[in-house]
Amino acid sequence: DQQVKQNSPSLSVQEGRISILNCDYTNSMFDYFLWYKKYPAEGPTFLISISSIKDKNEDGRFTVFLNKSAKHLSLHIVPSQPGDSAVYFCAGFQGAQKLVFGQGTRLTINP
Amino acid sequence: SQTIHQWPATLVQPVGSPLSLECTVEGTSNPNLYWYRQAAGRGLQLLFYSVGIGQISSEVPQNLSASRPQDRQFILSSKKLLLSDSGFYLCACPLAAGVNTGELFFGEGSRLTVL
Repeated sequence: DQQVKQNSPSLSVQEGRISILNCDYTNSMFDYFLWYKKYPAEGPTFLISISSIKDKNEDGRFTVFLNKSAKHLSLHIVPSQPGDSAVYFCAGFQGAQKLVFGQGTRLTINP
Repeated sequence: SQTIHQWPATLVQPVGSPLSLECTVEGTSNPNLYWYRQAAGRGLQLLFYSVGIGQISSEVPQNLSASRPQDRQFILSSKKLLLSDSGFYLCACPLAAGVNTGELFFGEGSRLTVL
């Protein structure tokens, strides 16, 4: 049962433009939603999160939007920079214990 | 801030051999601990999590097991490895002590190749 889904395995964006990464979920019991960034052969690093009672959270160039009725969240990166090239994972957190990840989206920022 | 030590960093093992991956956390006490696996071309799969010494929750039926003999030590084991056990194994703990909102800090990982 895939509780968190990222349907786009890859995304290519030009430097300076907006990157939009999407994520869908099926578990309505998630308390928080998070985005992680991962480089090859390294562990993921936490990027930004949003509580299930909010619909937007912004941190610098990164904004996460949550649409609970559609069970959908997205990460906006603007402006996109070459260092943003990585695999991005969305995740749902439930019951103060379990963090469930999606399959990831590989973002490539082209100069 | 916390650090996570995972070893070995890289491991090549034959099918049917045993496995022991170790994770030690420093800079925090009584943390929730997690084992994740990233198989080739796939996402991050939660394997086990632990809320305290001797307390293990298993998420996926498999031939792997986990143990937490000490507060800051988490061990992943197998008696007989399968080809499908190949992957990148990651240990994690909460990013901030006492905060359980899903913000995890991950170790550098152990890459296991089963031949």
